[in-house]
Amino acid sequence: AAGVIQSPRHLIKEKRETATLKCYPIPRHDTVYWYQQGPGQDPQFLISFYEKMQSDKGSIPDRFSAQQFSDYHSELNMSSLELGDSALYFCASRVGGQRNSPLHFGNGTRLTVT
Amino acid sequence: GQQLNQSPQSMFIQEGEDVSMNCTSSSIFNTWLWYKQDPGEGPVLLIALYKAGELTSNGRLTAQFGITRKDSFLNISASIPSDVGIYFCAGLAYGGATNKLIFGTGTLLAVQP
Repeated sequence: AAGVIQSPRHLIKEKRETATLKCYPIPRHDTVYWYQQGPGQDPQFLISFYEKMQSDKGSIPDRFSAQQFSDYHSELNMSSLELGDSALYFCASRVGGQRNSPLHFGNGTRLTVT
Repeated sequence: GQQLNQSPQSMFIQEGEDVSMNCTSSSIFNTWLWYKQDPGEGPVLLIALYKAGELTSNGRLTAQFGITRKDSFLNISASIPSDVGIYFCAGLAYGGATNKLIFGTGTLLAVQP
């Protein structure tokens, strides 16, 4: 079965640079979530989208922005990168509004800021 | 904000032993999910629970949704080396169509052959 696809798998950037992470949800999933996971930490919710509209916002820095496109894929844009932004970034998808639809996660993008 | 307390933090067991871990919350969740995460990989869904009191099995895994909707446990029977990893509980809270997922603090499981 198709899973959530994230790209790139690894990304190395320097401080103050920008980065764009992409997420392609499971077909027919209209809801996308972004999470950040630091070393030894549990995933922290950043932001989510339902039907191309932002619906929930977590601990996402103002330097980050995201959007969901008409084909339901999503992009997380990160500017003025800091060393502390180094982490694994996960995307998850589900069918919004459907009670019995759990979140399925991609394999993540490992961002390293030097 | 909502928090999930997961215990134990880590477990070191022998192959063949049974394992139990649990999560508690100060808030009510509508859905409990259990994930396993290998290093550098994304969380993989193990079991989803949708009703208070529900008991669900997936092979050697069994999980229950607490009757108060504030807790859940996961049992693994007859552990094998490939069970090694970090196990997360996660609670799904309804707030519009998207439903925010909150993770527990994780349980690191090590299995010695």
